[in-house]
Amino acid sequence: GNSVTQMEGPVTLSEEAFLTINCTYTATGYPSLFWYVQYPGEGLQLLLKATKADDKGSNKGFEATYRKETTSFHLEKGSVQVSDSAVYFCALSDRSDMRFGAGTRLTVKP
Amino acid sequence: ETGVTQTPRHLVMGMTNKKSLKCEQHLGHNAMYWYKQSAKKPLELMFVYNFKEQTENNSVPSRFSPECPNSSHLFLHLHTLQPEDSALYLCASSVRLGGEETQYFGPGTRLLVL
Repeated sequence: GNSVTQMEGPVTLSEEAFLTINCTYTATGYPSLFWYVQYPGEGLQLLLKATKADDKGSNKGFEATYRKETTSFHLEKGSVQVSDSAVYFCALSDRSDMRFGAGTRLTVKP
Repeated sequence: ETGVTQTPRHLVMGMTNKKSLKCEQHLGHNAMYWYKQSAKKPLELMFVYNFKEQTENNSVPSRFSPECPNSSHLFLHLHTLQPEDSALYLCASSVRLGGEETQYFGPGTRLLVL
């Protein structure tokens, strides 16, 4: 079956540090991959997505590349800000089967 | 603003109460979803509606009763809930045509059952 595994948190970084949140997936087909972000007290917001191998999704300084050979979709940002503090969810969609990772809480300190 | 709205944003209810959660999407999508998000647990898919027809019910207790009168509106009727049902209830919508789909979420209803 389909599944998503992402690194456990919490992750605590200082402002302007480099961020990586690892995500790997298992899928029977050719899924689309997503990162969602959830700020405190809010729902999930789509951060970025990639629909096929080697695609790079990017938004607000965040990037993730769809790596079929390693079944990964790691989230990166070169310089985090306090306002990036949130919970980040990796997800896949494979023929209407949507799966989410458990979420990684990021705290950025000034 | 994702185009999916939910009301109320916060709800406190007793175990004998009956209440309803409402979700509305303004994106022209044909599929709508209810998720439950509890502390320290993965996101749980509860119900899926596609073109107003329920296509998934993931073993949800009958004290949760969904209703989808049209493709833009989704309700979750609640009755005789338990304290462990306290959670954030998220609604989402998407274009579901068998291919790639992106789900868009509302802000959620924070439910507390006393």
